Amino acid sequence: NAGVMQNPRHLVRRRGQEARLRCSPMKGHSHVYWYRQLPEEGLKFMVYLQKENIIDESGMPKERFSAEFPKEGPSILRIQQVVRGDSAAYFCASSPPESSYNEQFFGPGTRLTVL
Amino acid sequence: SQQGEEDPQALSIQEGENATMNCSYKTSINNLQWYRQNSGRGLVHLILIRSNEREKHSGRLRVTLDTSKKSSSLLITASRAADTASYFCATDDSSYKLIFGSGTRLLVRP
Repeated sequence: NAGVMQNPRHLVRRRGQEARLRCSPMKGHSHVYWYRQLPEEGLKFMVYLQKENIIDESGMPKERFSAEFPKEGPSILRIQQVVRGDSAAYFCASSPPESSYNEQFFGPGTRLTVL
Repeated sequence: SQQGEEDPQALSIQEGENATMNCSYKTSINNLQWYRQNSGRGLVHLILIRSNEREKHSGRLRVTLDTSKKSSSLLITASRAADTASYFCATDDSSYKLIFGSGTRLLVRP
């Protein structure tokens, strides 16, 4: 059973470009979470999605950021018109649909560098 | 503000010694989890302790939870150089949102 997969692992963009980060949850998991980690800090919750639904996006910046989890395919975190402050590690996690505990399994992350 | 705060921020010990890290949080929780992150890598889930549990063991790891003090500790016994990593506690006060502290950076010297 493969773990949570994220790609690319490293992404370099120039200011103003778009960044697309992909996350494939573990098999059987239908809940996906995105977190952002700035250097020397802990992870900050961004968004929680289930298939075709955004459940909670309270941690997402209001502008330029969007997330989706389509019926087929990976979850996508999209950052438009990137700025240097978007440079961070972005982690995706997944959990099964009916978990008694909130145990989330994390992917290896995508490290975004904005030049 | 951060829900979970670890201390110390950094810890350096000799191989074979025990390492203790603490986590404090502010609001009521359902669960508290500890994760390890090697430099530049993803998070590895170590252990989950429920709010009605007081202590849990997993191999060389021992986690305690004191809900009256809103604190938890992670003890790594007989540390190894491979334990060098950052350790984070994460709490959830709802059914899904994990709130992480800023982590303890552990260095185990060979």
